[in-house]
Amino acid sequence: KNEVEQSPQNLTAQEGEFITINCSYSVGISALHWLQQHPGGGIVSLFMLSSGKKKHGRLIATINIQEKHSSLHITASHPRDSAVYICAVTDRGSTLGRLYFGRGTQLTVWP
Amino acid sequence: GAVVSQHPSRVICKSGTSVKIECRSLDFQATTMFWYRQFPKQSLMLMATSNEGSKATYEQGVEKDKFLINHASLTLSTLTVTSAHPEDSSFYICSASQGIAYEQYFGPGTRLTVT
Repeated sequence: KNEVEQSPQNLTAQEGEFITINCSYSVGISALHWLQQHPGGGIVSLFMLSSGKKKHGRLIATINIQEKHSSLHITASHPRDSAVYICAVTDRGSTLGRLYFGRGTQLTVWP
Repeated sequence: GAVVSQHPSRVICKSGTSVKIECRSLDFQATTMFWYRQFPKQSLMLMATSNEGSKATYEQGVEKDKFLINHASLTLSTLTVTSAHPEDSSFYICSASQGIAYEQYFGPGTRLTVT
C-alpha cells in the first residue's frame, strides 16, 4: 500500500471550472507538499504546509492533520493549469526530510 | 523561489559508457540533495539522499556502485551512472534543501537514453 494516495488519477475540466484534487496519507508527517509537473518534466513546488490553509493566486491548499487529508483547489481553471499534480509528504521520522509521493493527478483543462 | 539547475537536460549514450549528471543550487546552500528516477507515467522514486561532505544514503534496491553520488559542496551534487544499460534509460531529477524543515526545490530533470 502506498503511503500517499491521490484522487482522482485523471481529471478533465472545462476552462473556468473549480477543481479539487484530494490526498490522503498514512504516515506521520512534518509537512505536506503539493507539486506541479509539466509535460517537459520539470517540477515546481506549489505549497508546503503543516496545518490549516494556504493560498497563492488561484490555488488553495488545505490540510487536516487529524484526518490525514489534504486538498488542492484551483479556482477559475485555465488550460495552462494542465499538468500533473503530485502530493508528497515529509516523513516525520526521517532525519533527512525524505518525501513520499502520491502517483499524481493528470489534469487537463479544455478551453 | 529558489533555483536548482541540472546539466545536461538530455543525454544519449551507448551501452557500457558512464554518464555524469550535475545538480546545482544556484541561490542557496543545500545541505541535503535528493536524487530521483521517474519512469513514464509513474511517480518519482527516491534513489538516494546525500549530505554535503558525507556518503550518500541509498534506497533499498539501488546499487551504490552503479549510481555514484558525490556531494562535494553545498551547491553541487553529481550522479554518475556507470556502465549504463538500456534499462537505465529514465528521467532523473534532483532536489535540494537547506534542511529538514525547509522546502525541497526540484531541478528540471535529465532525460537519459541508453542505446
